[in-house]
Order: sequence, then structure tokens, then C-alpha cells
Amino acid sequence: AQSVSQHNHHVILSEAASLELGCNYSYGGTVNLFWYVQYPGQHLQLLLKYFSGDPLVKGIKGFEAEFIKSKFSFNLRKPSVQWSDTAEYFCAVNRGYSGAGSYQLTFGKGTKLSVIP
Amino acid sequence: AAGVIQSPRHLIKEKRETATLKCYPIPRHDTVYWYQQGPGQDPQFLISFYEKMQSDKGSIPDRFSAQQFSDYHSELNMSSLELGDSALYFCASSPGRDLGEQFFGPGTRLTVL
Repeated sequence: AQSVSQHNHHVILSEAASLELGCNYSYGGTVNLFWYVQYPGQHLQLLLKYFSGDPLVKGIKGFEAEFIKSKFSFNLRKPSVQWSDTAEYFCAVNRGYSGAGSYQLTFGKGTKLSVIP
Repeated sequence: AAGVIQSPRHLIKEKRETATLKCYPIPRHDTVYWYQQGPGQDPQFLISFYEKMQSDKGSIPDRFSAQQFSDYHSELNMSSLELGDSALYFCASSPGRDLGEQFFGPGTRLTVL
């Protein structure tokens, strides 16, 4: 079974600071990796995803993430955060294509990001 | 672009009552997933359907059942509600079982009193 670990429960940054949120996963096979953002009271929105290819993926709103297979990591980064980035961020994985079965997402516990103006 | 629709958005029930949550996937999406997100928790997978057949079950209580209909919408039926069932219930749809990406609906917030 997959598991996802997010290192930080709550991160507080000032505007324009750089952001890096850690995510490690545990799974023996091929995985797809995702970062979702959940603004207060809203549903999950996809920030970016990795299926295969270039391990550095760029998403919406200036976010990017790097897949390091040897470290089972998929850390989220943003060079300069804004107040509007205040939200909860979830790392998620599901198994890569392997035929029959389900591809449900396994989520990490989430990281709350608070950006101070 | 069309998104996943969930109804109702908010639901208040008493203990031991029943509830039915509905999910309408994005057109031409044949796969539906249900997740439960308790207060301050990460979403937990409940159940999934592919082409109207159940494809997997997660941590779904026996009091809950679900199905996917011929038009691909799905319903989650919850009976004998307990206080601990209070949560946000998300539905997500995917254009194919094995294509990885899931698109989430706005959720139904269920409060059990």
C-alpha cells in the first residue's frame, strides 16, 4: 500500500519569501505524483502532476515540483509567495498504469501555509 | 469548462438518519472516486467506480453503500448516521481508470447532530 508523508504541518512565511514543502512517498512500484491546494472552504484544486519524463514539473500560479526517484520525494517549491497562496497543500500519489484495478489517491496529512503580508 | 457537480452542498442530519449524496462527473468521464475528509484531516478514499462497476473499496463503513448509474453519476448512501460521519465528502472524476489525474468536485459538507 502507498503512504505519503508531508514534513511540515504548518508553515508561516512573509510575502516574497521562498517556499519549499517536503513530500516523501512509500510505494514499491511506478507512481503518479500530485500536489493539490485547498483554499479555505473550497475544494481540492490540482497544482501540478508528474506521470513520467522530466522530473521537474511546472504547475499553475508559479509552483513547481521536483521528483527525485532515489529519495522517493516530490517537493513543492515557489520562489516568491504571495498572501493569496495562504491555503492547505496536499501531496498525493496513486499507482502508475498497471492494468486492472483502482487508482485512488493516497494523500499526505497536508501542510497549512500562512503568508503574512 | 464543465466541472464535477455535487449535491447537496450542505446537509444536516440527526444521528441514526440516512443521507444520500450525489455526484455528477465531468462529461465523458467514466470513473468516479469518493473521498471523506474529516475536520483537519487529509482526504481518505472510500470507494471507486469504473464503467458503472465498483473497482475498489477503501475505508468505507458497512453502513455506507454507493453505486454508479448508466449516465455515470454516482450516489453515496449513508445509513444509521453517527456523529463521526460529520465530514466533507468529495467526489472526483477521471477520464479513464488508468489516466491518473482526478478532478474534484466542491464537496458535500455533512453535519450529523
